[in-house]
Amino acid sequence: DVKVTQSSRYLVKRTGEKVFLECVQDMDHENMFWYRQDPGLGLRLIYFSYDVKMKEKGDIPEGYSVSREKKERFSLILESASTNQTSMYLCASSATDSNYGYTFGSGTRLTVV
Amino acid sequence: AQSVSQHNHHVILSEAASLELGCNYSYGGTVNLFWYVQYPGQHLQLLLKYFSGDPLVKGIKGFEAEFIKSKFSFNLRKPSVQWSDTAEYFCAVNPGGNNRLAFGKGNQVVVIP
Repeated sequence: DVKVTQSSRYLVKRTGEKVFLECVQDMDHENMFWYRQDPGLGLRLIYFSYDVKMKEKGDIPEGYSVSREKKERFSLILESASTNQTSMYLCASSATDSNYGYTFGSGTRLTVV
Repeated sequence: AQSVSQHNHHVILSEAASLELGCNYSYGGTVNLFWYVQYPGQHLQLLLKYFSGDPLVKGIKGFEAEFIKSKFSFNLRKPSVQWSDTAEYFCAVNPGGNNRLAFGKGNQVVVIP
């Protein structure tokens, strides 16, 4: 069974902390994505990557950065966490052929206090 | 701005009732269309997808969706819902096959036994 694994299910961090959210996929997918999910707002794209060491901004990149040093791993970084970054973070991956859609991880619920 | 619209964010209905969730998008040209479902506490799963061919698409668990190009719509239907269909449903559009999905804000569906 193919998988996208997010390292933490729940995370509580303090304002100003640097936060790392990790995502690993075992499907050899080229594309990886980070979304945040908020009630009433749906999923909003933060960053995505089409290849190793490559990244592109999504719709709401402010306050975030990403790293993709290996094909299977895509990290989301909150340089200085703020309370408005409290959210559910979803990682997804897909093959270059978009016919198969995305495979999502289970999500990381981050609370910034 | 280009977007994906889902109306009636909260839907409450009784078992055996029919369900229809609307999805409209504003992208021109070729699009790939998806419906995802998120059951309580679970990750997003693909319900069905449309790329070409028959505009009436059948998915898992008795769901179907119809692509109407002239109306820029991809509405989801199920003739008779069950309590286990309680979930949040997201419409997603992949404009021009660029592998970047844009999501609607979701429909929270509650089925009362």
